[in-house]
Amino acid sequence: AQRVTQPEKLLSVFKGAPVELKCNYSYSGSPELFWYVQYSRQRLQLLLRHISRESIKGFTADLNKGETSFHLKKPFAQEEDSAMYYCALSGGYQKVTFGTGTKLQVIP
Amino acid sequence: DVKVTQSSRYLVKRTGEKVFLECVQDMDHENMFWYRQDPGLGLRLIYFSYDVKMKEKGDIPEGYSVSREKKERFSLILESASTNQTSMYLCASSPGTGGYTFGSGTRLTVV
Repeated sequence: AQRVTQPEKLLSVFKGAPVELKCNYSYSGSPELFWYVQYSRQRLQLLLRHISRESIKGFTADLNKGETSFHLKKPFAQEEDSAMYYCALSGGYQKVTFGTGTKLQVIP
Repeated sequence: DVKVTQSSRYLVKRTGEKVFLECVQDMDHENMFWYRQDPGLGLRLIYFSYDVKMKEKGDIPEGYSVSREKKERFSLILESASTNQTSMYLCASSPGTGGYTFGSGTRLTVV
């Protein structure tokens, strides 16, 4: 069985402060991990995936197989980063399991 | 530029009604999915399809069925709507690999 855990429902940070959204997973094979973001009144969209090893909107995420984690990080939060963030894991048939989401609130 | 289209943004239905939620994608993707999104529960997979006329149960298929007669269209059917099916329903599609493209969602209220 595949499972994704996001321990924080809400994360509030001040503008300019570092951000870390936590994600832990459980999967017996080699997972593909993603972060999705949903801005207010917009559709859910892919932010980044671990195999791309890229930085999107200043966000990065590193897959740590030893700790089974895929935390999302940004060194300096911006107000426009306020959104709902979902960590997701892909197993077979492209079936993706999502975490429960973390709402990021950036305080001006 | 819309790639995945869900036919209704808001729906209000009565308990016991049969409800159809439609989803169309124009990216020629093989895989299509239906999720429901509830606060505190995240996204939960209802059904998915990796080919025309193929369907697989997700994690919460009870009370739902699906239809995929054409590659671009994936329909979710609530056989007899109940109040606990009040939710936001999200359709998504993907190619053989890679991430999903989501529709804008259908907020269904069952009264």
